[in-house]
Amino acid sequence: NAGVTQTPKFQVLKTGQSMTLQCAQDMNHEYMSWYRQDPGMGLRLIHYSVGAGITDQGEVPNGYNVSRSTTEDFPLRLLSAAPSQTSVYFCASSPGQVDTQYFGPGTRLTVL
Amino acid sequence: AQSVSQHNHHVILSEAASLELGCNYSYGGTVNLFWYVQYPGQHLQLLLKYFSGDPLVKGIKGFEAEFIKSKFSFNLRKPSVQWSDTAEYFCAVNAGNYGQNFVFGPGTRLSVLP
Repeated sequence: NAGVTQTPKFQVLKTGQSMTLQCAQDMNHEYMSWYRQDPGMGLRLIHYSVGAGITDQGEVPNGYNVSRSTTEDFPLRLLSAAPSQTSVYFCASSPGQVDTQYFGPGTRLTVL
Repeated sequence: AQSVSQHNHHVILSEAASLELGCNYSYGGTVNLFWYVQYPGQHLQLLLKYFSGDPLVKGIKGFEAEFIKSKFSFNLRKPSVQWSDTAEYFCAVNAGNYGQNFVFGPGTRLSVLP
């Protein structure tokens, strides 16, 4: 199993550009999440999904969209990038509602 | 809203020293508790978790943690650290309702000097 994969590993955007961060898992997990990691702030939840077709907002959803058309994929869209979105983004999946989360390797995004 | 605090931002130890990293959470109900580790340049990995039962849980690489319900704490310990333990450590709490109640602490950076 590849586990949780994320692409790209690095990305530089200009303010106002849009892009999609890809996340896929091959463990047949129902639960998936997107986090951003900023120094001194730990991980903050952006959006999450409890199954295909179901998504919800986390702590910091503004400026981001998600969709979950399949169990495997959970892309994160930045609609109009801003410097405040410079961060490391992690995707995670979990087999159960209160179970261990498995993390992807992360995407380091810089917005100029 | 529930929150998780970690006592130390950065801990510096020499090899073979003992380690204790503090974690406190604010939630009055049943919780599931986790410690994750992030080695330099890598993604988060699970160290150990507590769901129920014995409040002293053992994880990988010689780490253990003790859940003290009355203190809302879940401190991480290791009797003798190694240089390879240099990493960032995150405490996390899940109070059910995936996503809505899975909260991470700010992290503690551990530097182990050879």
